[in-house]
Amino acid sequence: DIQMTQSPSSLSASVGDTVTITCRASQGISNFLAWYQQKPGKVPKLLIYAASTLQSGVPSRFSGSGSGTDFTLTISSLQPEDVATYYCQKYNSAPRTFGGGTKVEIK
Amino acid sequence: EVQLVESGGVVVQPGGSLRLSCAASGFTFDDYTMHWVRQAPGKGLEWVSLINWGGDNTYYADSVKGRFTISRDNSKNSLYLQMNSLRTEDTALYYCAKSAYTSGWSAIDYWGQGTLVTVSS
Repeated sequence: DIQMTQSPSSLSASVGDTVTITCRASQGISNFLAWYQQKPGKVPKLLIYAASTLQSGVPSRFSGSGSGTDFTLTISSLQPEDVATYYCQKYNSAPRTFGGGTKVEIK
Repeated sequence: EVQLVESGGVVVQPGGSLRLSCAASGFTFDDYTMHWVRQAPGKGLEWVSLINWGGDNTYYADSVKGRFTISRDNSKNSLYLQMNSLRTEDTALYYCAKSAYTSGWSAIDYWGQGTLVTVSS
């Protein structure tokens, strides 16, 4: 099975900073990758699908890139409401594995 | 408005069985692949299982294969997860989730609020 590895597992940044989260697949998955945001005590929310397509209603400061095995989620100008754990997920085949998550905090 | 409402979570002893249900509304249920995803307390998301629109294709995580069975009743707009031979490591909040597009290969765009399963003696 394909493994999904996220890094870092946590980060702390200041408001206005650019934050980058990486997700690596153990085998190529083309662009079948999604990013989710889960705020504390809340249900996950889809941010990005097809590696770089922003879900409707998601602020434009979120962006995704990559293809094959290496993917990034970038938050430009971090806001206090972005405090959350972010997960990547592959969906090219089953199992639809999630990454381990990246917890983003404000410094 | 899409709504997914899970039920059936309880405290159960190791080795026991449980059936989770998910009532769906606000979309054409039988057009979409559906998923179960779980989250152990304080841990990350773990994909559990999926079932295609017609119910004839199902997939499972290795951790539950042979113990859990996903099913659906399109006439009732309902998704189910039969959980047998439960283990303490199955303790988690179980989410019902909807694929974003009618194509089977898509991300998840809606999640229920979850139902808590606790496996403990």
